[in-house]
Amino acid sequence: SQTIHQWPATLVQPVGSPLSLECTVEGTSNPNLYWYRQAAGRGLQLLFYSVGIGQISSEVPQNLSASRPQDRQFILSSKKLLLSDSGFYLCAWSGLRGNQPQHFGDGTRLSIL
Amino acid sequence: SQQGEEDPQALSIQEGENATMNCSYKTSINNLQWYRQNSGRGLVHLILIRSNEREKHSGRLRVTLDTSKKSSSLLITASRAADTASYFCATTGTASKLTFGTGTRLQVTL
Repeated sequence: SQTIHQWPATLVQPVGSPLSLECTVEGTSNPNLYWYRQAAGRGLQLLFYSVGIGQISSEVPQNLSASRPQDRQFILSSKKLLLSDSGFYLCAWSGLRGNQPQHFGDGTRLSIL
Repeated sequence: SQQGEEDPQALSIQEGENATMNCSYKTSINNLQWYRQNSGRGLVHLILIRSNEREKHSGRLRVTLDTSKKSSSLLITASRAADTASYFCATTGTASKLTFGTGTRLQVTL
């Protein structure tokens, strides 16, 4: 069966520090991969999605970047964190065929001080 | 921007009652999906309904879709305390990207 792992679960970082969140998927090949951010009490905002290695689409201009160095690995990064980067970050995968359900990791709670 | 808007934003019911949540969206869709999120956790897919379907059932869940009104509803029958969570609708257009609504927080009390 397919599983998705996301870490760390919580992270407290100072303003201006770098960020690296990692997400890996097991049990499937060529997944579509997604990074979302969820503000408190709100829905999810799509940040990045990827349909293959090295292929990243950015949905909103921001202080973050994403990379996909391997088929089942998706990394969210920042060189210098801002206070506004605080939030709950979720990684998800779906099959390549269009219009399929997405499967989410347990998220990373990021607090910027 | 959010495509879907759920109504109500919050709902409190007693165990055994039915819970109904509504979702409205703005543009044409290929399908609409409902997800559940327990506090501080990731989302779990509940049900997908295609644009050419009008109703779908899964266990205690019943989803309807009215494309003419651009709306969907999720009914949870005989609710349980374990159903306490936030519920989100999400729509898919021509790409495989999901656009989520703002969610309904459901509280089921004993």
